[in-house]
This record gives sequence, C-alpha cells and structure tokens, in this order.
Amino acid sequence: AQSVTQPDIHITVSEGASLELRCNYSYGATPYLFWYVQSPGQGLQLLLKYFSGDTLVQGIKGFEAEFKRSQSSFNLRKPSVHWSDAAEYFCAVGARGNEKLTFGTGTRLTIIP
Amino acid sequence: DAGVIQSPRHEVTEMGQEVTLRCKPISGHDYLFWYRQTMMRGLELLIYFNNNVPIDDSGMPEDRFSAKMPNASFSTLKIQPSEPRDSAVYFCASRGPRDTFSSGANVLTFGAGSRLTVL
Repeated sequence: AQSVTQPDIHITVSEGASLELRCNYSYGATPYLFWYVQSPGQGLQLLLKYFSGDTLVQGIKGFEAEFKRSQSSFNLRKPSVHWSDAAEYFCAVGARGNEKLTFGTGTRLTIIP
Repeated sequence: DAGVIQSPRHEVTEMGQEVTLRCKPISGHDYLFWYRQTMMRGLELLIYFNNNVPIDDSGMPEDRFSAKMPNASFSTLKIQPSEPRDSAVYFCASRGPRDTFSSGANVLTFGAGSRLTVL
C-alpha cells in the first residue's frame, strides 16, 4: 500500500528565508507525486506535480520540488518565503492506474516578520 | 469554470439528525472523490466515482454514510444519523479523464469544503 510521511507537523520561518518541507513516500512502482497547499478555510490547491522525466519540477508561486528515488523523497523548496505562503502543505502520492491519492498529514507553515 | 462547488460551507446539527452535503464537479470531469479531513486522521478518501458509478467505497466509515451521483454534475454525501465524531471538513474533488502518462493524470481539483459540526 502506498503511504506518505511528512515528518514536520509545524515549521516557522522568517519572511525572506528559504524553506524546505520534507516528504517521504512508500510505493512499490513509479509514483506520481504532488504537493498541495491549503489556506485557512479553503480547499487544497495544486502547487506542483511529478510524473516522470526531470526530477526537479517547478510549480506555482515560486515553489519547486525534487524527486529523489534513492531516498524516496519529494521535498518542497522555496528560496525566499513571503508572508502569504503561510498555510498548510500536503504531499500526496498516486500512481498510474491507481485513482486513489494518499495524502500526508500535512505541515503547517508559519511566517514571522 | 467556477471550479468544484460544495454546499453548504458550514453545517451545524444535532446528533441523530440527517446531514446532506452536496457537490458539483467541474464540467467534463468524469472522476469525483469525497474526502474527509480531521485533525486526528488527516485527509481520508471516503469514496470515488467514475462516470457516476461508485468505484471504491472502502473508505466509508460505516453504514451511516452513503454517497450518490445521480448525474455527471451532482453528487451527495449523506450521513444518517449523524454523530459528534462525524464532525470534520468534507471535501469534494474532481478530475478529468485519465490520459496515458500525461500531465492530466491524477490531478485533483478540490472544492472549498463543507465544515460539519455535530453537537
């Protein structure tokens, strides 16, 4: 069965600092990997996705993520965070032929001035 | 497109009452998913439909929960009778036809959610 682990429940970062959110997955075949962001009171919005090819993927709002098969990881990064990035971030794994996405428990990001 | 539309956004009810949550997927999307989000369990897939047919309901917690999709533009999730432990945010998400290894595969568009409180 597929699973996702987001080891950090809550991260606090200063505005302008760099950010890395961790995601580890477990899946036997080649995974599809996603990062979603959820602002308070809102639904989830897709930030970026990886299906195949280049292991460094670019997303919206200046985010990027790198797929590392050897580490079973798909960490999300941003070089300089903005106060508007404060939200909850979810990593998810799926696969070709498997319609069910499995989500991690989320990482809440707080931005301090 | 207006996106995935859910109603009501907030529902407060008393234990034992029937609750009906509604979802309108994006036009042309043929997959529809119902998720439940709680602090304790995170995001859980309850059920999903393909072309209005329920495909996998293994995540539905118990018989008090039921979901229908009478047509391509409407789905309901019903809880009868409701219990306090059903309090959660319920999300509906839809997805377009699966392409062969294309960027469209598995990309869900979520609604804003329905926050249910059962007293």
